[in-house]
Amino acid sequence: DVKVTQSSRYLVKRTGEKVFLECVQDMDHENMFWYRQDPGLGLRLIYFSYDVKMKEKGDIPEGYSVSREKKERFSLILESASTNQTSMYLCASSFPIPNEQFFGPGTRLTVL
Amino acid sequence: SQKIEQNSEALNIQEGKTATLTCNYTNYSPAYLQWYRQDPGRGPVFLLLIRENEKEKRKERLKVTFDTTLKQSLFHITASQPADSATYLCALDVDNAGNMLTFGGGTRLMVKP
Repeated sequence: DVKVTQSSRYLVKRTGEKVFLECVQDMDHENMFWYRQDPGLGLRLIYFSYDVKMKEKGDIPEGYSVSREKKERFSLILESASTNQTSMYLCASSFPIPNEQFFGPGTRLTVL
Repeated sequence: SQKIEQNSEALNIQEGKTATLTCNYTNYSPAYLQWYRQDPGRGPVFLLLIRENEKEKRKERLKVTFDTTLKQSLFHITASQPADSATYLCALDVDNAGNMLTFGGGTRLMVKP
């Protein structure tokens, strides 16, 4: 059974803290994605990676960075968390040709 | 500007009826379009993909149409069941390479027994 896992389901952090969200996939997918989902704004792409050490900015990369040192793992980093980064964060992976994205269960991050 | 529109209001239907959800887009020329289902507190799950040269695609009780002239996709669930209650998202490829998708805001479907 294919799987995308995320390190935490719920996370509470304080303003200014450095936050790491980890995502692991077991499908040998080249592509990995980080989205955030907010009521009324839908799913928005933060960053996308198409290979190890490769990344591209999505629609809302400001305040975020990413790391992909291994094919199966894609990390999202909030260098200095702010309250407007309180959101549901979703990781996904896919093959590079037109194909479906497999999503993880999501991490609900609250920044106080 | 580019836009994907799905009816933001919930769609309420009776069990056994056909549910029809709409996805309209402007200023895109997608090579394909996808539909996903999302349950509360969970990640979206892929349902169907339809290419620009396909008019219709079916999978069990699901049917998707894709009209590139109208810039519209319709998603149908026949013989709907309460278990079909969820939010349904459409997504378009934005780089014509199958890599990045842009998602609509989703339509919440409620099927009443």
